[in-house]
Amino acid sequence: SQQGEEDPQALSIQEGENATMNCSYKTSINNLQWYRQNSGRGLVHLILIRSNEREKHSGRLRVTLDTSKKSSSLLITASRAADTASYFCATDASGGYQKVTFGTGTKLQVIP
Amino acid sequence: GAVVSQHPSWVICKSGTSVKIECRSLDFQATTMFWYRQFPKQSLMLMATSNEGSKATYEQGVEKDKFLINHASLTLSTLTVTSAHPEDSSFYICSASGTGVRETQYFGPGTRLLVL
Repeated sequence: SQQGEEDPQALSIQEGENATMNCSYKTSINNLQWYRQNSGRGLVHLILIRSNEREKHSGRLRVTLDTSKKSSSLLITASRAADTASYFCATDASGGYQKVTFGTGTKLQVIP
Repeated sequence: GAVVSQHPSWVICKSGTSVKIECRSLDFQATTMFWYRQFPKQSLMLMATSNEGSKATYEQGVEKDKFLINHASLTLSTLTVTSAHPEDSSFYICSASGTGVRETQYFGPGTRLLVL
């Protein structure tokens, strides 16, 4: 299965601290995406990084991709209570069909 | 932009009845729509991929006669859970990608189904 694995499964930090989540996957990919899901809600797309990119920034988010290690990390800097959510990585290995496989997710709690 | 809606947001039904869930792309043409299922505290599992005007492609282990998918237009896909049973209770989420939003899937808010 291509399903990615994320670690940690759960992370609890104080507001203002940085949060780092990691994702590992098994096969070659076209791109990797990170999504956020608030409890009982749909997913919000955060950032997409292509296989030929190594790092990408968007606001307080920083994503890295290491295709040799088949891993990615998501860093949220200066976390806020509103960042409390589950974060999923999703890999696209479908050759343009946009079919993605989701990782197991990291549940982040930011304590005010 | 790139908004996807789902209706209903939650539904409770009796065992044996059928339930239809709608997924709409509001401001773009969704050439492809995806249906996922999510159990509590678990990740999303892809059920099927549908392209407008074509039959859906189901993932291994998903019963196509149980979960009927129709993608009749570029803005609407429906998932019908036929003869629902309690084990079908879950959170169903659709996503869409297409013209102007390639590479990225935009997700609906999800539909929580409870079968009694």
